[in-house]
Amino acid sequence: NAGVMQNPRHLVRRRGQEARLRCSPMKGHSHVYWYRQLPEEGLKFMVYLQKENIIDESGMPKERFSAEFPKEGPSILRIQQVVRGDSAAYFCASSSDSYEQYFGPGTRLTVT
Amino acid sequence: SQQGEEDPQALSIQEGENATMNCSYKTSINNLQWYRQNSGRGLVHLILIRSNEREKHSGRLRVTLDTSKKSSSLLITASRAADTASYFCATEEQGNNDMRFGAGTRLTVKP
Repeated sequence: NAGVMQNPRHLVRRRGQEARLRCSPMKGHSHVYWYRQLPEEGLKFMVYLQKENIIDESGMPKERFSAEFPKEGPSILRIQQVVRGDSAAYFCASSSDSYEQYFGPGTRLTVT
Repeated sequence: SQQGEEDPQALSIQEGENATMNCSYKTSINNLQWYRQNSGRGLVHLILIRSNEREKHSGRLRVTLDTSKKSSSLLITASRAADTASYFCATEEQGNNDMRFGAGTRLTVKP
């Protein structure tokens, strides 16, 4: 049973470009969480999604960031018009219910 | 905002010794989880303890939870060099099920 998959593992974008981060949950999991980790800091919750629904986006910046988890396919975290401050590691996690979460390896975004 | 706060921030011990890490939190929770993160890798789930549980064991790991003090501890017994990693606690908040992580404890086990 494959774990949570994230791709790409590393992403480099110039300021102003768009970044798309993908997360494929574990088989049978319908809950996806996205987290951001800045250097030397703990993970910070961004958004919680179930299939086709955003349940909680209280941690998402109001502008430029969006997330989706369509009925088919991976969850996508999209960052428009990236800025240097967006450089971070972005982790997604999945669960089959609201309890134990399993994390992916993360995507390291570097904005140049 | 950050919920769990681990202490110490860094811990260095010799192989064979026990390592104890603590986590405090602020709100009411459904459960508390401990994770390990090896450098450059994703988090690995270690153990989950629910709010109505007080202690849980898994191999060399022992987790306690004191909801009255809003704190938890992770004890690793007979540590090994391979235990060197960062350890995070995370809480799932009651009501909104949001997950909150602390900044982690960096554990170094010297051979």
